[in-house]
Amino acid sequence: ETGVTQSPTHLIKTRGQQVTLRCSSQSGHNTVSWYQQALGQGPQFIFQYYREEENGRGNFPPRFSGLQFPNYSSELNVNALELDDSALYLCASSRAYGTSGNNEQFFGPGTRLTVL
Amino acid sequence: GNSVTQMEGPVTLSEEAFLTINCTYTATGYPSLFWYVQYPGEGLQLLLKATKADDKGSNKGFEATYRKETTSFHLEKGSVQVSDSAVYFCALSRDDKIIFGKGTRLHILP
Repeated sequence: ETGVTQSPTHLIKTRGQQVTLRCSSQSGHNTVSWYQQALGQGPQFIFQYYREEENGRGNFPPRFSGLQFPNYSSELNVNALELDDSALYLCASSRAYGTSGNNEQFFGPGTRLTVL
Repeated sequence: GNSVTQMEGPVTLSEEAFLTINCTYTATGYPSLFWYVQYPGEGLQLLLKATKADDKGSNKGFEATYRKETTSFHLEKGSVQVSDSAVYFCALSRDDKIIFGKGTRLHILP
């Protein structure tokens, strides 16, 4: 069983640029969630996708957007990058809609984004 | 709103010492509670969970009990090992998202 994979591993961008991060969910999982983990902080929920639709969003501005594809892989897009967007971006997949505790989320290794 | 507060680190212990990492939460209703671990250079891994009051989650010698009356979910281990060195996150799930604490870095000295 292949786990959650993310690409790229590291990325450096400058302010104002746009970035796309990618996530492949674990086999059999149809829900993908994205989190931002700033240095020394816990992950913050960005949004979740279920069956290609956004299903819940955290306190992030609209310049953070996403997609989920028919194979359940996902992209996170961030426009007009700001210095504070520098963080580790984590993707997590789960077997079904919701995080009731019975649908464990499996995390990828993350993409480290640095904005200069 | 929903939130998780956990003790600040770093926590430094000698091998075979007893570990407690405190965690309290604020939430409406009855969230599920988790402890995640992040080893250096790796992603988050679920360590243990509890889905209702008085449940005890356990894994790899770690335990935590869902205490509704004190809104707590403290992590304990009777005898830590050097390989337990990592960052530990307390978390709750509510409204289809996981809310994490800030994390506690644990260093175990041989």
